[in-house]
Amino acid sequence: DTGVSQNPRHKITKRGQNVTFRCDPISEHNRLYWYRQTLGQGPEFLTYFQNEAQLEKSRLLSDRFSAERPKGSFSTLEIQRTEQGDSAMYLCASSSLFQLGGYTFGSGTRLTVV
Amino acid sequence: SQQGEEDPQALSIQEGENATMNCSYKTSINNLQWYRQNSGRGLVHLILIRSNEREKHSGRLRVTLDTSKKSSSLLITASRAADTASYFCATDAFGGGADGLTFGKGTHLIIQP
Repeated sequence: DTGVSQNPRHKITKRGQNVTFRCDPISEHNRLYWYRQTLGQGPEFLTYFQNEAQLEKSRLLSDRFSAERPKGSFSTLEIQRTEQGDSAMYLCASSSLFQLGGYTFGSGTRLTVV
Repeated sequence: SQQGEEDPQALSIQEGENATMNCSYKTSINNLQWYRQNSGRGLVHLILIRSNEREKHSGRLRVTLDTSKKSSSLLITASRAADTASYFCATDAFGGGADGLTFGKGTHLIIQP
């Protein structure tokens, strides 16, 4: 376990379809975050899990977005009825509640909605 | 929403020169972090400075923090071609808690060989 793993790396989907992304955090990390990044911008916070509990959601996370982290391990982010505006890089990060330090980010999933 | 702004938005220098990037933010913070992102990749954590610290070093990196001005700077000394990337500052208002980190828009750094 050398880092945060995200799958798939790239996803092209037609407008209106549902997509699901997966994130496997560092196993010792109990905090997990989802961010969205569009071209030329910094990452924007979407949601946060502490263990299996989803403790915070951004206003950016519309009803079409849902995230889960069953058993406090891997997490999934689902987007229903995708729109072209959902095209972005979706980044997952993890950190430890008990150790002050930076986040470890995955390489992201680039979503293109056509 | 973005917490702050990096300045400049883009910077191009010759290899071996020093690169300085600035970051301004709006709200009180617990700590401030700098990240690097290579094109199309995830972010890599570089350095964290707590709100009660004024300066921190890590290898060729030097970070300063002025909480009275709500600003920070990142200095990369003796730049290398491999330093070409986008650099983001991120503020942590609650110690890595519920709201996560708030990122700026980044500085795109190009090191010319």
